[in-house]
Amino acid sequence: DAGITQSPRYKITETGRQVTLMCHQTWSHSYMFWYRQDLGHGLRLIYYSAAADITDKGEVPDGYVVSRSKTENFPLTLESATRSQTSVYFCASRTGSSYEQYFGPGTRLTVT
Amino acid sequence: EDQVTQSPEALRLQEGESSSLNCSYTVSGLRGLFWYRQDPGKGPEFLFTLYSAGEEKEKERLKATLTKKESFLHITAPKPEDSATYLCAVQDWGYETGANNLFFGTGTRLTVIP
Repeated sequence: DAGITQSPRYKITETGRQVTLMCHQTWSHSYMFWYRQDLGHGLRLIYYSAAADITDKGEVPDGYVVSRSKTENFPLTLESATRSQTSVYFCASRTGSSYEQYFGPGTRLTVT
Repeated sequence: EDQVTQSPEALRLQEGESSSLNCSYTVSGLRGLFWYRQDPGKGPEFLFTLYSAGEEKEKERLKATLTKKESFLHITAPKPEDSATYLCAVQDWGYETGANNLFFGTGTRLTVIP
């Protein structure tokens, strides 16, 4: 029972580079989410998806792009990374009938 | 704007010393309140969902309660393995993303000393 997996777990990149964080879930959950966690801010929603090919912005979407061509995958792309995007990124999912979200192990991203 | 405030920021307890963590919230309309546990370097782990004032949920040494303005996570006779950061989140009927945005507090970091 793998649940949600994220890759890579750690990533260091330079300012201006494109980087993609991967999220894969094995539960066939319809909803998937991307959050970032920063000291003093708690978890904040970046983007979410209600189903394949349906995505929408969350609280802090600027600088990020998402896609969802398959139900099980929800990649997050930073098109031109900035130092302010240094953070821990969490992917989460839930079913269509209940509201509790289940989180992956996170990706620690450092932008130098 | 939705607001979730957790207190205290950090709490140190002796093993067996019961206490409570607080989560105060301001929303247009509460769809649900969620408690999570987060260990260092890991993702949040779901504990409880509460939907209406007066509701209570229990799991081992943890008991979550809900009023119209706050929730408490009571920890009875804690053990060192209960050490973690406990996060509270709310879901607001009134927020434009409705069912799809959880607003998280910054957490209470609990340390249980043997």
